[in-house]
This record gives sequence, structure tokens and C-alpha cells, in this order.
Amino acid sequence: GAVVSQHPSRVICKSGTSVKIECRSLDFQATTMFWYRQFPKQSLMLMATSNEGSKATYEQGVEKDKFLINHASLTLSTLTVTSAHPEDSSFYICSASSGGRSYNEQFFGPGTRLTVL
Amino acid sequence: KNQVEQSPQSLIILEGKNCTLQCNYTVSPFSNLRWYKQDTGRGPVSLTIMTFSENTKSNGRYTATLDADTKQSSLHITASQLSDSASYICVVSGYGNNRLAFGKGNQVVVIP
Repeated sequence: GAVVSQHPSRVICKSGTSVKIECRSLDFQATTMFWYRQFPKQSLMLMATSNEGSKATYEQGVEKDKFLINHASLTLSTLTVTSAHPEDSSFYICSASSGGRSYNEQFFGPGTRLTVL
Repeated sequence: KNQVEQSPQSLIILEGKNCTLQCNYTVSPFSNLRWYKQDTGRGPVSLTIMTFSENTKSNGRYTATLDADTKQSSLHITASQLSDSASYICVVSGYGNNRLAFGKGNQVVVIP
């Protein structure tokens, strides 16, 4: 149980285009989903937290107009990188939490490798 | 300063040998500590999760320890296998919130 999927697993795009990444909780309802970015040999960095049906909360320094997050259902959240630039190239990982346990365990997706040319 | 520090940053071990990874944290108040295994190009996979009252937990060949007084944890890998080559990430959760503090990971390479 507690499986989280991401699609696509890898995407290459031209500078200036937009890219959408999907995150799905396959066998549980995720009241909260998290989006992380990870650069090589670095920690996961939280970008934003989203609760189903409400606006995402962005971390300091993360542009909400550039990284659009939608959490329209309890099993799906999307991250859209708008007008992508080479510096947006990174490994994007989502996680999902059902909120049912006292320690709010997060289950991570397999990640999406974004390369902007 | 990062709230979670891991050491060593990287290590190479021979297949079949044991190794121990260290994690020190400053997160307070403390709720729980997790160890994840992250293969290259993949998302983290949970190995263990320990709350304040637990001082050891095992998952197969992986054994995690926690000393909440000294704010230290270790992950011991027994009889390492080639498939253990990965980054092992220590993650600490503070009490009362869902924010996680991530270490940079211990990069383990197991060689035949």
C-alpha cells in the first residue's frame, strides 16, 4: 500500500515552454501533497505544500506564478513549470500524506527528471 | 545551518561487510526520525521510522537506532549487498507540524 506515482519520469523541453508533472496517490487518499526539488548531491528542498481543494503554500523563494500547483482531488496534484529555463532543470519529487497517522508519514513518488535546453 | 547533519558524506564498502551511517539533528521539539533509501534517479523509499520512545528498529538487514537525548541516530547495514548502493537520507519531523528536515544523505557504494 501507500504507492505514489509521478508522470512523466523524465522530460526534456526547450527553454520558454511549460511542463506539467502529475503526482498521484494510487491506493490512498492524500489530503496533503508536497512538491520537492533536488539538485545533485543535495537534500530534497520543499517547494510547496498543497491541501486538496485549497491554494498551495509556497516556501520562501519559490515563485508561485512560475510553479503552478493544483490539487483538485484527493489522489492527484500537478506541478506546472511555466516558461521553463535551464536553471529549472532538476529532479522534482512529490510526496503524499493521508494525515491519518499521528506522525503524518509522507510517501514519495519516484521523481521526475526535468531537463530544459 | 542544516538541522540534520549526516556523516560520512560517502563511503565505499566491500560486499558482505557491515557499515554504520550517522545522523545528528537539532530539530526541536522532536516528533519522529526516518531513514530513507534513495537510488540514483529515484524517489526516497522509507526504511524505518522511529518516535521519541523508540530507540531501535529493524527492517531486514537495516537497523536504525535513536538517542533522543543526544539527538543522534544511526543506520546499520548488515552483510551489505550490491543493491545497497544508494543514498541514505535521514529525515526528522518536528512535533506539531508536517514539515520535514532532510539531511544531505550518506552516499554508499558497495563493491564486489
